[in-house]
Amino acid sequence: ETGVTQTPRHLVMGMTNKKSLKCEQHLGHNAMYWYKQSAKKPLELMFVYSLEERVENNSVPSRFSPECPNSSHLFLHLHTLQPEDSALYLCASSQDQSSSGELFFGEGSRLTVL
Amino acid sequence: QKEVEQNSGPLSVPEGAIASLNCTYSDRGSQSFFWYRQYSGKSPELIMSIYSNGDKEDGRFTAQLNKASQYVSLLIRDSQPSDSATYLCAAGMEYGNKLVFGAGTILRVKS
Repeated sequence: ETGVTQTPRHLVMGMTNKKSLKCEQHLGHNAMYWYKQSAKKPLELMFVYSLEERVENNSVPSRFSPECPNSSHLFLHLHTLQPEDSALYLCASSQDQSSSGELFFGEGSRLTVL
Repeated sequence: QKEVEQNSGPLSVPEGAIASLNCTYSDRGSQSFFWYRQYSGKSPELIMSIYSNGDKEDGRFTAQLNKASQYVSLLIRDSQPSDSATYLCAAGMEYGNKLVFGAGTILRVKS
């Protein structure tokens, strides 16, 4: 595998469910990111991890909980979501935090909250 | 609220023409600027970065930056149908920190 891979690619969940999104990067990068992409809206940065340490949390509701066990893996744990959380969730990586604009994105996880 | 504004389009150009995509940003302190291309159903892909006033060329792509006017543009020469995609402009602080994306411009190149 190369690049940034995300699983699952599609997820449908009820408002009371708990699920997790997984991201793995094979690029040897040190920084990883979660972005939210909603239709007709700009990409929204959610979380930034640098060398497994969370360095940015952009006022994201606590129903989204990130986890970065090592520099290659990133998770987004989801619980008690709302229908407005339905969106494409993109994981990205960069060489390090000093190259935060040069992002390599995964294919995304399309989330639908019923 | 820091913002990056783009015309949503669609911008339609004939094959072989020059496509001109524009972007303005609100934070005068922005120092790094990026263009990403996103095909329908796919993830964004970095195509150009620019940090200094002026032009930067890479193949058929030219990025232009005017910090005084807070304006960034992307020119695509000899447009091909395969260039049809949404183009995202992003502005950030040094090295791309605090990156803010625009909502994107849809480009359609007609053969």
